[in-house]
Amino acid sequence: DIVMTQSPESLAVSLGERATISCKSSQSVLFNNKESLAWYQQKPGQPPKLLFYWASARASGVPVRFSGSGSGTDFTLTISSLQADDVALYYCQQYYSLPLTFGPGTKVEI
Amino acid sequence: QVQLQQSGPGLLRPSQTLSLTCVISGDSVSSTTAAWNWIRQSPSRGFEWLGRTYYRSEWSVDYAESVKSRIVINADASKNQFSLQLLSVTPEDTAVYFCARGWDLNSWGQGTLVTVSA
Repeated sequence: DIVMTQSPESLAVSLGERATISCKSSQSVLFNNKESLAWYQQKPGQPPKLLFYWASARASGVPVRFSGSGSGTDFTLTISSLQADDVALYYCQQYYSLPLTFGPGTKVEI
Repeated sequence: QVQLQQSGPGLLRPSQTLSLTCVISGDSVSSTTAAWNWIRQSPSRGFEWLGRTYYRSEWSVDYAESVKSRIVINADASKNQFSLQLLSVTPEDTAVYFCARGWDLNSWGQGTLVTVSA
């Protein structure tokens, strides 16, 4: 199984400041020149919401202050200017191989 | 826009069978480009992918090794839905269960809290 790790476990960021979350996979998730890596946002009592697929392709409706990047085994989710609505848990997930696996999550607070 | 609506009981006794259904709107369970997953989330184990079904020229299923001996995922094209059965549940199966579409999980059901307790 591909093991996904995330850092930090939690971070507190001031409104309007940048938040950066790291995700690492235990092996490459490159498939047909695309990184099989997704990012999700989850708020309490809700299912996860897809933010990015193929590591950097923004899902429909996701604000441009969110960006996804990375390659190989190292990936990053960045919130350029944190808003109150961005307080949530953030997860990365690989879909390169079964079983689909997720990172443990990063809690973003203000 | 794809929507997934889950249904099923939330309280089970040990050794019972967990049964959940996920009704699809805005897509077809028989789509040859989609896959239909079951995933669970618990504080102790995080997200755990359980399995999926998909249709190409025939139906296929894949299951996680951790539950392979006691899981069944089925699709019902006439009702545009898919289902999860998990046999012989124990308290360790207590979790929020989600259905979800795709490989990048682009649509999710609302989640069902399933508690296994004597």
